[in-house]
Amino acid sequence: AQSVTQLDSHVSVSEGTPVLLRCNYSSSYSPSLFWYVQHPNKGLQLLLKYTSAATLVKGINGFEAEFKKSETSFHLTKPSAHMSDAAEYFCVGALNSGYALNFGKGTSLLVTP
Amino acid sequence: NAGVMQNPRHLVRRRGQEARLRCSPMKGHSHVYWYRQLPEEGLKFMVYLQKENIIDESGMPKERFSAEFPKEGPSILRIQQVVRGDSAAYFCASSPQTGRNDEQFFGPGTRLTVL
Repeated sequence: AQSVTQLDSHVSVSEGTPVLLRCNYSSSYSPSLFWYVQHPNKGLQLLLKYTSAATLVKGINGFEAEFKKSETSFHLTKPSAHMSDAAEYFCVGALNSGYALNFGKGTSLLVTP
Repeated sequence: NAGVMQNPRHLVRRRGQEARLRCSPMKGHSHVYWYRQLPEEGLKFMVYLQKENIIDESGMPKERFSAEFPKEGPSILRIQQVVRGDSAAYFCASSPQTGRNDEQFFGPGTRLTVL
């Protein structure tokens, strides 16, 4: 079945330390993959997307993600967390020929001083 | 360029009433998508519309739910005879064109509470 799985529902890091948010996918097609961020009471904002070009994708606010087909993963990283990074993060895939996006359940990132 | 607009932001209905959720896509976008987010869940696709046409409604419940995107005006998601299980956040997204690689731009959502 086509699906996106976010391995951690909550991640807590200290300000200035690296961030790793994990995502795995399952798809019989060559997927397009996205990371979105949602701040409280706001819409979802696109951080970055992978569309079968470069496997290392750079996004906004210093985030990047690497597509690893052998591991069916698309983990999101950032070298140094800021307080403003605290939000909900969604890994999202276009996993089949249809129009629907498949969402992971989200990872809540907490950044402590 | 204003983003995707949704209203109301919060909606409270009693069981059996109707809920109407509105979505105005970004300027120049003719493709609209509706998603539902249940508590502790990711967003689930409901329906994809272009102007005056429903393209894919594979995620819509078979009864009580309908969607439209008229030639003029916002897209409407209508839920008739609401039940407590309809309580969720409903998100609308739009895109200028459709394709698996294309970004969808999301609105802030409408949070529906059914009493």
